[in-house]
Amino acid sequence: GESVGLHLPTLSVQEGDNSIINCAYSNSASDYFIWYKQESGKGPQFIIDIRSNMDKRQGQRVTVLLNKTVKHLSLQIAATQPGDSAVYFCAEPRNNAGGTSYGKLTFGQGTILTVHP
Amino acid sequence: DAGITQSPRHKVTETGTPVTLRCHQTENHRYMYWYRQDPGHGLRLIHYSYGVKDTDKGEVSDGYSVSRSKTEDFLLTLESATSSQTSVYFCAIGRGAYGYTFGSGTRLTVV
Repeated sequence: GESVGLHLPTLSVQEGDNSIINCAYSNSASDYFIWYKQESGKGPQFIIDIRSNMDKRQGQRVTVLLNKTVKHLSLQIAATQPGDSAVYFCAEPRNNAGGTSYGKLTFGQGTILTVHP
Repeated sequence: DAGITQSPRHKVTETGTPVTLRCHQTENHRYMYWYRQDPGHGLRLIHYSYGVKDTDKGEVSDGYSVSRSKTEDFLLTLESATSSQTSVYFCAIGRGAYGYTFGSGTRLTVV
């Protein structure tokens, strides 16, 4: 079935480095993708989204890139800080058989990002 | 998280007992969702609601039921808890395309 997945389950970086978290998707019909951050003991938090008609979207210290040709998206975090340590998930719409999502999302497995001071 | 609260935050229950988790929102969102989170499985959708008394099953709905009698409350019931339902349960509100707001989660342990 359709799924969203991640290449790397863990990523360790030094403070100040740039981090790149990857996600592969298989549903070419997905029209948007979202990245979430989950800190220990908390619920996931929305970071940034990107629509399928875009290749790149920038936020504050974060950039999401979408490559529809290879069905891949990535989250880039600039100047990574210890507070960025968390699990990062990508998500895409989850449609019913009739093609309606009712706002449902399918989440990837997640990547653990650890930032060392 | 502001606008959405889950209760209880932690619960330990015995196998075979019924358990109800509550999600309360003050954002007047039409859409509400229950997910469970387990190591190796990520977040999986249990049930969702697209309005008062309008609910439907997600991908892991067996053993769970839900009710939504008013906009602000979405209840998840484990009819007869099993050890396989030990998990962290998250409620979310909003709509996927605009990003969910998640609650802080309920850690349920079935012994």
